[in-house]
Amino acid sequence: GQNIDQPTEMTATEGAIVQINCTYQTSGFNGLFWYQQHAGEAPTFLSYNVLDGLEEKGRFSSFLSRSKGYSYLLLKELQMKDSASYLCAARSGAAGNKLTFGGGTRVLVKP
Amino acid sequence: ETGVTQTPRHLVMGMTNKKSLKCEQHLGHNAMYWYKQSAKKPLELMFVYSLEERVENNSVPSRFSPECPNSSHLFLHLHTLQPEDSALYLCASSQEVGNEQYFGPGTRLTVT
Repeated sequence: GQNIDQPTEMTATEGAIVQINCTYQTSGFNGLFWYQQHAGEAPTFLSYNVLDGLEEKGRFSSFLSRSKGYSYLLLKELQMKDSASYLCAARSGAAGNKLTFGGGTRVLVKP
Repeated sequence: ETGVTQTPRHLVMGMTNKKSLKCEQHLGHNAMYWYKQSAKKPLELMFVYSLEERVENNSVPSRFSPECPNSSHLFLHLHTLQPEDSALYLCASSQEVGNEQYFGPGTRLTVT
């Protein structure tokens, strides 16, 4: 079966750092995505990890540990516009054609 | 037009109606997807197409019928829906199946 867990909501202050954790139990796992979704808008791609380690992309970084079934998204120097839901999604299947999403973590950035 | 477009943006239909959702991608991608997003539930993958061929069907009820006439267009035909089918239906595309996906704005469907 497929199971993705992430916290429902987090609050942080502008300029701070927030880490959103995601744990997954996915048979045939072969990669992990993070998407950002602002209220009323479509999800947009943030990052992709297939190997263990940290991928850095500007203010956003994503980490993966395949042995632990664990990933996190790190948001640095938080800005008000970072208030959004962050979706963790695990890819599986021989052709990578299965994508299972977590429920999303709503991040609220306060001044 | 750029990116992924969807029409209509909003749709209200009765349980006996038949309607279709349309998605078009202008990115030259080979894979297209339909998702359902309900309040307080994770995004659910419904169908995956690669070069007009369906490669994934996630146990979706037969009242939802996808069609992919070419790699740029994807339809979702709806008939005899239930109120619990009310949701945001998102279309997405990617270069190949499994790559990062680009989402359309969605169709907000209400079944009365």
